[in-house]
Amino acid sequence: NAGVTQTPKFQVLKTGQSMTLQCAQDMNHEYMSWYRQDPGMGLRLIHYSVGAGITDQGEVPNGYNVSRSTTEDFPLRLLSAAPSQTSVYFCASSYGTGTLGEQYFGPGTRLTVT
Amino acid sequence: KQEVTQIPAALSVPEGENLVLNCSFTDSAIYNLQWFRQDPGKGLTSLLLIQSSQREQTSGRLNASLDKSSGRSTLYIAASQPGDSATYLCAANTGFQKLVFGTGTRLLVSP
Repeated sequence: NAGVTQTPKFQVLKTGQSMTLQCAQDMNHEYMSWYRQDPGMGLRLIHYSVGAGITDQGEVPNGYNVSRSTTEDFPLRLLSAAPSQTSVYFCASSYGTGTLGEQYFGPGTRLTVT
Repeated sequence: KQEVTQIPAALSVPEGENLVLNCSFTDSAIYNLQWFRQDPGKGLTSLLLIQSSQREQTSGRLNASLDKSSGRSTLYIAASQPGDSATYLCAANTGFQKLVFGTGTRLLVSP
């Protein structure tokens, strides 16, 4: 298994541009989520999904959009990039809750918005 | 709103020492608590997952405990090695696999 994969690894955007961060998992996990990591603030939840077709907002959803059309993929869209969205973005997945609740993280996408 | 705090923010120890990392959370209504390791510029690697009904979990030289009533978890690392140098993160699951993270403890183990 490849686990959780994210593309691209690095990205530089200009203010106002849009882009999609890709996330895929090959473990048949129902739960997927996006976090951003900023110095001194830890990881914060952006959006999450409990299954194909079901998404909801996390702690910091503004400026981001998600959809989940398949179990495997959970892309994160930046609608109009702003410098405040400069961060490292991590995608995570897990099979379920309880003893199956261990979360697996991707390697991250480092985004810079100028 | 759940808040997670990790103390200390940084820790430097000589090789071979046993050490304890602390994690506290404000709301005891958690489903589980997970400890992660993060190396510089890398993603998160899961170390241990403790269910809300459990008191501790062990994996090799690592032992994590959970006390929901006091809002605390500890990660015990036995016989530390230079390869243990990394940032350690704890995260409380508040439901639907939504994690609230602490800001981490940066560990340096010197040879």
